[in-house]
Amino acid sequence: QVQLQESGPGLVKPSETLSLTCTVSGGSISSYYWSWIRQPPGKGLEWIGYTHYSGGTNYNPSLKSRVTMSIDTSKNQFSLKLSSVTAADTAVYYCAKIGSGGARWDCWGQGTLVTVSS
Amino acid sequence: QSALTQPASVSGSPGQSITISCTGTSSDVGGYNYVSWYQQHPGKAPKLMIYDVSKRPSGVSDRFSGSKSGNTASLTISGLQAEDEADYYCCSYAGSTIYVIFGGGTKLTVL
Repeated sequence: QVQLQESGPGLVKPSETLSLTCTVSGGSISSYYWSWIRQPPGKGLEWIGYTHYSGGTNYNPSLKSRVTMSIDTSKNQFSLKLSSVTAADTAVYYCAKIGSGGARWDCWGQGTLVTVSS
Repeated sequence: QSALTQPASVSGSPGQSITISCTGTSSDVGGYNYVSWYQQHPGKAPKLMIYDVSKRPSGVSDRFSGSKSGNTASLTISGLQAEDEADYYCCSYAGSTIYVIFGGGTKLTVL
């Protein structure tokens, strides 16, 4: 049973880079595709991107210029970096596993709230 | 790309059935059989309830069913229970560049 846990700073200053890590347990990170999804307070879900250990990535076109995702197979972790953040990037950030066949997430972390504020 | 359109809220009494619609375009919902639905209780992570329009993951009650007609997908919950009260989000594949689009979410109230 795969389990995911997000970690990282809960407060980031405007114009700085948001950095989060997702630790995967109960399964190999090399076996699946992995995503980040966010949810601003009181609002809906937004897909940020996905990554694979082979190096394959795909980012939401609206965030592409500011997003970088990577995988550390030695630590069974994957990460998200979002640069030049503004208050609009304040959200609960979820890491999630993409189900076989794609375009769906069958396992989610508990989520971590990141607030952008000076 | 605009979000998929869902009703803001729906309600039903215990034991009744309700349906939540999710309307997109021929570039997303209508173009692919890759619609998924997620249930989210307050303060919790979303949970996959339906994928590939009408398939249920292991462990999800058969009271939950999905369908699609044209550019509109639907989630039906039969035999409503108090525990079904939650927000529900639809999601559709939209091609390799955009990848997916979510709906705005529907709040289900069990009266």
